[in-house]
Amino acid sequence: AQKITQTQPGMFVQEKEAVTLDCTYDTSDPSYGLFWYKQPSSGEMIFLIYQGSYDQQNATEGRYSLNFQKARKSANLVISASQLGDSAMYFCAVEGSNYQLIWGAGTKLIIKP
Amino acid sequence: DAGITQSPRHKVTETGTPVTLRCHQTENHRYMYWYRQDPGHGLRLIHYSYGVKDTDKGEVSDGYSVSRSKTEDFLLTLESATSSQTSVYFCAITKGPASTDTQYFGPGTRLTVL
Repeated sequence: AQKITQTQPGMFVQEKEAVTLDCTYDTSDPSYGLFWYKQPSSGEMIFLIYQGSYDQQNATEGRYSLNFQKARKSANLVISASQLGDSAMYFCAVEGSNYQLIWGAGTKLIIKP
Repeated sequence: DAGITQSPRHKVTETGTPVTLRCHQTENHRYMYWYRQDPGHGLRLIHYSYGVKDTDKGEVSDGYSVSRSKTEDFLLTLESATSSQTSVYFCAITKGPASTDTQYFGPGTRLTVL
């Protein structure tokens, strides 16, 4: 069965610094996708970035990039030049069987001014 | 904006009462999902649908049923609510043609069972 581990329950980062949020996954599927979502205190789930297991290059979306290391089963989210508005919960998810996304427990990121 | 609404947004109910949550989408996407979110667990899939009248169970389906009689509506029913079903419930849709495309979420429903 697929599994996602986010080892950092919480992080404090100084504004304008880069942030790396860790995500490791376990899947036996040969082809899969990895997702990162942001959940601010207002509660909505916001899609950030996607990486396919066969994509040759790491995905990037604006200030977000995904440091994908397939052999290590790692898909860390990197946020460059952090902003106060980046304070939120961040969730990593991997495609599971039967249309499901398997989610990690999340990392709470707090950006300090 | 993914065009997804959920109703009600907040509900307080008593143990043993039936509860129905509604998810409505405006763009006729095929795949729809119900998740629950609890502290320390991320999101867990309850049920999903891959078309009208086509539904299947997710990881935590016990105590829940769903129905999809129209493309735009996906209903989640708690037949007899229990305190363990106190949670935040999210509906999601997949915009692309494949079930593995990115999921987009509604605003959530906060349910409290006393």
